[in-house]
Amino acid sequence: AQTVTQSQPEMSVQEAETVTLSCTYDTSENNYYLFWYKQPPSRQMILVIRQEAYKQQNATENRFSVNFQKAAKSFSLKISDSQLGDTAMYFCAFDAGNMLTFGGGTRLMVKP
Amino acid sequence: DGGITQSPKYLFRKEGQNVTLSCEQNLNHDAMYWYRQDPGQGLRLIYYSQIVNDFQKGDIAEGYSVSREKKESFPLTVTSAQKNPTAFYLCASSIAPSGTGLVTQYFGPGTRLTVL
Repeated sequence: AQTVTQSQPEMSVQEAETVTLSCTYDTSENNYYLFWYKQPPSRQMILVIRQEAYKQQNATENRFSVNFQKAAKSFSLKISDSQLGDTAMYFCAFDAGNMLTFGGGTRLMVKP
Repeated sequence: DGGITQSPKYLFRKEGQNVTLSCEQNLNHDAMYWYRQDPGQGLRLIYYSQIVNDFQKGDIAEGYSVSREKKESFPLTVTSAQKNPTAFYLCASSIAPSGTGLVTQYFGPGTRLTVL
């Protein structure tokens, strides 16, 4: 069974600064996909970014980028130029072909 | 507008009653999913359906039932056998089932169920 671990239950960052959220996973699969979802206070789950394991290039979406280290089974999310609207729960998720497995989440607070 | 709708937004149930949560999508997605989220925790998979008239149990299916009679609809029934049903329930869909490539799940706004 796959497991996803987010070791930082809560984090805070000043507006306009950069923050990195950690995620590690455990799998014996070679082909899989990784996702970061954001859940703001409205509780709507919103896709932030996704990565295919066979691609070495790290995914980037505007201010959001990942550091994917396949050998270390690590998939961290970097948020640049943090904005107040980035305040939310962030979930890392893993898909090896049958279902999404989610981490426990990191609560991010962006301070003005 | 295309998307996933869940109703109601808030639902209250008395102990011993069954209750059905609605999930509808007009994205023409083949696969649909139900998740449960408890306070401060991640999502856990209850049931999923890859095609019409077929569904599979997830990690925590006990006390729940589903049906998939139409492609766009995947209702979840919380039965009286579910011992601790108070939670936030999220429905999701994807264009194709997991295992067919890079497949992204898109989520509805959720239903908050409270047992009185």
